[in-house]
Amino acid sequence: QVQLQESGPGLVKPSETLSLTCTVSGGSVTSYYWNWIRQPPGKGPEWIGLIEYSGSPRHNPSLKSRVTISLDTSKNQFSLKLSSVTAADTAVYYCARGRNLQFDYWGQGALVTVSS
Amino acid sequence: QPVLTQPPSSSASPGESARLTCTLPSDINVANYNIYWYRQKPGSPPRYLLYYYSDSDRGQGSGVPSRFSGSKDASTNTGILLISGLQSEDEADYYCMIWPASNALGIFGGGTKLTVL
Repeated sequence: QVQLQESGPGLVKPSETLSLTCTVSGGSVTSYYWNWIRQPPGKGPEWIGLIEYSGSPRHNPSLKSRVTISLDTSKNQFSLKLSSVTAADTAVYYCARGRNLQFDYWGQGALVTVSS
Repeated sequence: QPVLTQPPSSSASPGESARLTCTLPSDINVANYNIYWYRQKPGSPPRYLLYYYSDSDRGQGSGVPSRFSGSKDASTNTGILLISGLQSEDEADYYCMIWPASNALGIFGGGTKLTVL
C-alpha cells in the first residue's frame, strides 16, 4: 500500500520560503509522477505542480516562478519550495501520486500558516 | 486560468439520486476532455472517485461503488457526477477537475457541498 507523508514547518513568515517534503513508502518515486496540491481554508484544491523521474517539473503558471519541485530518489522523497510567501499562501498542502492524470494516493496534508 | 463552475451546495434524501454538475468555460469543449471527480470529507484529503470521457472511455477509482457514475451534457458544456442510492456517508464536498492539455496544468472546480438530508 502506497503511503505519503508531508513534513515541514507549520509557520512561515511573509516573504520567506515555504519548504515541504513528502516521504513515499510502499512505492518508488522513480515511477508515476508526484504532485503538490494545496487547499486554502474553506476553498477548493489548487494544483501546484508535479515532478516525474524522467521529465522536467511542471507547475501552475499562476504561481509564476515561485515554485521549485525536486525529487530525491535516494530518500524516496520529493519536495516543494514556494518563495516570497504571503498570507494568501496559507493552506493545507497535500502531496499526491499521479497515475493516468488521476491523483490516486494522497498524504494527510500539512497546514502551513504564513504569518509574522 | 479557466474556471470550472460547480454549484456551492446540493441536497437530497437517502435512497435518492444526486446530480452534481461541473460547467466548463465556453472556450473549453467538454467533449474533448476527461472529467475527473473527487470526494472530500472534513479533515481528510480528497479521494479519487472516477473519470468520464465517454461511455466507452471511463474509469472507476479503486473501491468506488458503481452507484457513482459520470456523464456529460454537451448542450451546457457540463460534466456530471451522478450518485444513486444516496447514503448518509455520501455527505461530503465534491470536486471536478480537468487537465487542459494546452496549459498542461490541473484545474479544480470550486466544489459542491452535498447534504444528505
